[in-house]
Amino acid sequence: QKEVEQNSGPLSVPEGAIASLNCTYSDRGSQSFFWYRQYSGKSPELIMSIYSNGDKEDGRFTAQLNKASQYVSLLIRDSQPSDSATYLCAVTNRDDKIIFGKGTRLHILP
Amino acid sequence: DTAVSQTPKYLVTQMGNDKSIKCEQNLGHDTMYWYKQDSKKFLKIMFSYNNKELIINETVPNRFSPKSPDKAHLNLHINSLELGDSAVYFCASSPGLAGDEQYFGPGTRLTVT
Repeated sequence: QKEVEQNSGPLSVPEGAIASLNCTYSDRGSQSFFWYRQYSGKSPELIMSIYSNGDKEDGRFTAQLNKASQYVSLLIRDSQPSDSATYLCAVTNRDDKIIFGKGTRLHILP
Repeated sequence: DTAVSQTPKYLVTQMGNDKSIKCEQNLGHDTMYWYKQDSKKFLKIMFSYNNKELIINETVPNRFSPKSPDKAHLNLHINSLELGDSAVYFCASSPGLAGDEQYFGPGTRLTVT
């Protein structure tokens, strides 16, 4: 069983719509959850961190965490072409080791 | 004012050579990391240092040796380079222990011919 799973995509979303990115993880003892954005040829950039169940909003981004279902998601409202990138989900497991998913490629259609 | 910097940005070398990549952070963070991102874009942790002490050492060949002269620097030395070592290597740092929010350097694209 893979530790952090994401659909590789590409996920195509029309400009102005909501993009929904999903991630599941295997270690029930995980405590910290992160979303990173990586443009092609660039380094990963932290977008959101979430540590407790529920929603956390920051501008157009909302992270959602459900520890019972071992599920974390990222919603991007009013999607812009500049949001086109690969989004990496990262989870810190009970051993304090951060595990990255393989990323979901998001393509915003103008 | 770069937060996490790496040198060189590109490195092209032949099989069997030895090379080093340097990393420096000016964020005052306690923990630094090396990651490898392969051609399929999978980002995998290699090493983690906290205040110059090795705390994570994933299953990487012994040819890879990290060195942390102080908590602001973490260098990666690679001996006897192989074709499969070709990848982008990212350095990162985080304020606290491993597993915290991480800030990445620009990456070093290593090509072994």
